[in-house]
This record gives sequence, structure tokens and C-alpha cells, in this order.
Amino acid sequence: RKEVEQDPGPFNVPEGATVAFNCTYSNSASQSFFWYRQDCRKEPKLLMSVYSSGNEDGRFTAQLNRASQYISLLIRDSKLSDSATYLCVVNRWEYGNKLVFGAGTILRVKS
Amino acid sequence: DTGVSQNPRHKITKRGQNVTFRCDPISEHNRLYWYRQTLGQGPEFLTYFQNEAQLEKSRLLSDRFSAERPKGSFSTLEIQRTEQGDSAMYLCASSLAADADTQYFGPGTRLTVL
Repeated sequence: RKEVEQDPGPFNVPEGATVAFNCTYSNSASQSFFWYRQDCRKEPKLLMSVYSSGNEDGRFTAQLNRASQYISLLIRDSKLSDSATYLCVVNRWEYGNKLVFGAGTILRVKS
Repeated sequence: DTGVSQNPRHKITKRGQNVTFRCDPISEHNRLYWYRQTLGQGPEFLTYFQNEAQLEKSRLLSDRFSAERPKGSFSTLEIQRTEQGDSAMYLCASSLAADADTQYFGPGTRLTVL
């Protein structure tokens, strides 16, 4: 079983739609949580950190449920430019702070 | 441009050849990470440095792989006797040790082994 699991999609949605992605992680020692965005053949870029209290950045809302080991990302009012792969990432503060990535969820926003 | 840079951006090689990639981190960052990403997967950790010291290596990093960061600035990743299974995007990231959660990625080197 992979340490971080995501639905690969693709999610095909019309512009203006609301879409939600989920992710589960298996290591309860995970301590930091993130969503990264990766455009085709580009490097991953940090979209937002995820906190238990939930956090919002414009049209994006992220939520963490430590008890269920579950992370979510909600995108409201989808734009064509939101089309990308969204990577769920966890980090353990053991030696190294190496990021552990899920395989990603593909989002395609269509006009 | 003050971000992380990687060279070359693309490398095509024949099986059995050696290849070397370079990463230049953000100048004040003392941590440097290497990741590998294959098609349809997320990046996987390979190794990381704090300054010039290599502090951790993944079991993914076979004996054919070696990484260095001789002066605590740029890093090189060498793959000896390349195999087709080495074809991937090799990503470098850097961070401050005090804020290791925030890693900035370079554009990657895409390796194709024929």
C-alpha cells in the first residue's frame, strides 16, 4: 500500500464548477501536509499547506482530518487555468524532512 | 532568476552510458534534495544534503547512483551504466534547514535511456 493515496482521476469539470479531491495517508507520524500543483512536464509548485483547522486561499480550501488520516482540497468556481495535476504531500519531521507525494489527481476544466 | 536551476533540461543516452546532472539551489538554502518522478507517479525522494553532508539516501538509490555537493552549493547526481528503467524526470529541490517544509523545486532534468 502506498503511503499517500489519491484518486488519479481525471476529473473533467466545466468552468465555474466546484470540485473536491481527497487523499489518505497511512503513516500516523506524518506531521505536515500540503497540496502541490504540477502542470504538464513542469516541476511541482506548492499550492497550499493544510492545517487541522482548515485553511482557505481564494477559491481553494484545504482540510485535514488527523483522526481519519484524510486530506481534502476544494476548488470553487473552477477556471480553465486550474487544469493540472494536484499532488497530495505529507512530511515527517524525522531526519530529512523528505516530502512523500501521492501519485496525483488530474483535473481538466473545460469551457 | 534566483530560483533552483537544473542542467541539462533533457538528456537522451544509450543504455550502459554514464550521465551527470547538475542542480544549483537557491543561494542561501543549505538543504538540497533530489527526487525522481516517473510517468503517472508523484516524485519520490532519492537523497538529501545539508550543506556538503549527504545525510540520507533512499533505498531507491542503487549503487549506480551517486550524488555530491562538494562545497555546499551546487550538487551533481551521476548515474553509471544507465538502464532503461532509469528513464524519469530528476527533480532537485532546496530549502532552509529552519524551514524544511518549504521546498522549492527546479524544472527538472528529463532522462531518456534508449
